[in-house]
Amino acid sequence: AQSVTQLDSHVSVSEGTPVLLRCNYSSSYSPSLFWYVQHPNKGLQLLLKYTSAATLVKGINGFEAEFKKSETSFHLTKPSAHMSDAAEYFCVVSDRDNQGGKLIFGQGTELSVKP
Amino acid sequence: EAQVTQNPRYLITVTGKKLTVTCSQNMNHEYMSWYRQDPGLGLRQIYYSMNVEVTDKGDVPEGYKVSRKEKRNFPLILESPSPNQTSLYFCASRGLRGDNQPQHFGDGTRLSIL
Repeated sequence: AQSVTQLDSHVSVSEGTPVLLRCNYSSSYSPSLFWYVQHPNKGLQLLLKYTSAATLVKGINGFEAEFKKSETSFHLTKPSAHMSDAAEYFCVVSDRDNQGGKLIFGQGTELSVKP
Repeated sequence: EAQVTQNPRYLITVTGKKLTVTCSQNMNHEYMSWYRQDPGLGLRQIYYSMNVEVTDKGDVPEGYKVSRKEKRNFPLILESPSPNQTSLYFCASRGLRGDNQPQHFGDGTRLSIL
């Protein structure tokens, strides 16, 4: 069975400083990994996805994530936080054991950005 | 515009009164799914469907029903809602070509069962 652990439930940064949201996964084989963002009263928007083509994945709005198989991690980073980045972020692994690609969600990390 | 549309966005109702939350997608996706989101638990899958007339239980199916009579629609039915079904619900869809196709989410339906 696959699982995802987001190591921080809440992260607070100042505008213009780097963002690091940590995610570890458990998978019996090569996973499909995603980061989604959820702004208040909105649905989930895909930030980026790991497709096994490259370990460093670039997403929208300046976000990146690096797949590290040896550490079973897929941390999300951004060099400089913007006020509009304040939202909840979910690390997600796709379950290919069954159910045609069910998504397994982490518990979420709420990102606050201070002026 | 490619989208997943849920209705209603908000609903307050009472225990035992049957309700249906509709979900429609315009991307011709085979796979559709319902999730509920609760604080500290992330999103958990309720039911999913691989195609028309093919549905199966997710992780938390108790108290819910679904149907998939048409490819674009995947309604979630609460026959006898109870307060523990108060939650934020999301419908999602994706194509089935490849395992890393991202899911597209609706904007959510906030249900309050009194």
